[in-house]
Amino acid sequence: GQQLNQSPQSMFIQEGEDVSMNCTSSSIFNTWLWYKQDPGEGPVLLIALYKAGELTSNGRLTAQFGITRKDSFLNISASIPSDVGIYFCAGLRGGNMLTFGGGTRLMVKP
Amino acid sequence: EAGVAQSPRYKIIEKRQSVAFWCNPISGHATLYWYQQILGQGPKLLIQFQNNGVVDDSQLPKDRFSAERLKGVDSTLKIQPAKLEDSAVYLCASSPILRWKAFFGQGTRLTVV
Repeated sequence: GQQLNQSPQSMFIQEGEDVSMNCTSSSIFNTWLWYKQDPGEGPVLLIALYKAGELTSNGRLTAQFGITRKDSFLNISASIPSDVGIYFCAGLRGGNMLTFGGGTRLMVKP
Repeated sequence: EAGVAQSPRYKIIEKRQSVAFWCNPISGHATLYWYQQILGQGPKLLIQFQNNGVVDDSQLPKDRFSAERLKGVDSTLKIQPAKLEDSAVYLCASSPILRWKAFFGQGTRLTVV
């Protein structure tokens, strides 16, 4: 099946730092979604991107739909302890098949 | 707005037993997905429904897994017989037709012993 390569796999940062993570694929996607998953919970949608080049913010989170349509980026500014969790990218293409990356585990040191 | 409801939250069964999971999507959402999430990995799509028709079930182990979505609303996922490697969280998600945004339930954590 399609592969979404998410990096980094994990990050351990200091509270207040900015965070960047990305997702790449060899395939073109029509929609990119970014989720956060806390332990024991289902993924929660953070940001949805529908157009190449689109830049969308949700509070301290900003995500971009890559121009090539094969990648997407998520930035978190001024991280806080509650940002801890696993962040997943997901891409949607023909047939509306939603494929997930392997996740980026974020740890924030107060 | 009510979210995606799943039950049970947890299930422990012995290998070779059967188990069923239930999902009630967000009202009006035409698309329903079942995902399997093994510990430490991203969710893997098992089956996707559009209303009550199957769009994609290419990654569903059909010798033991089955799913249905009668009347295009609720859905059940069944495993019969279960294997140890089926231990995972089973996530249900739903999405409206326009402006695809898949919303997830809390999942069912299955442990096969």
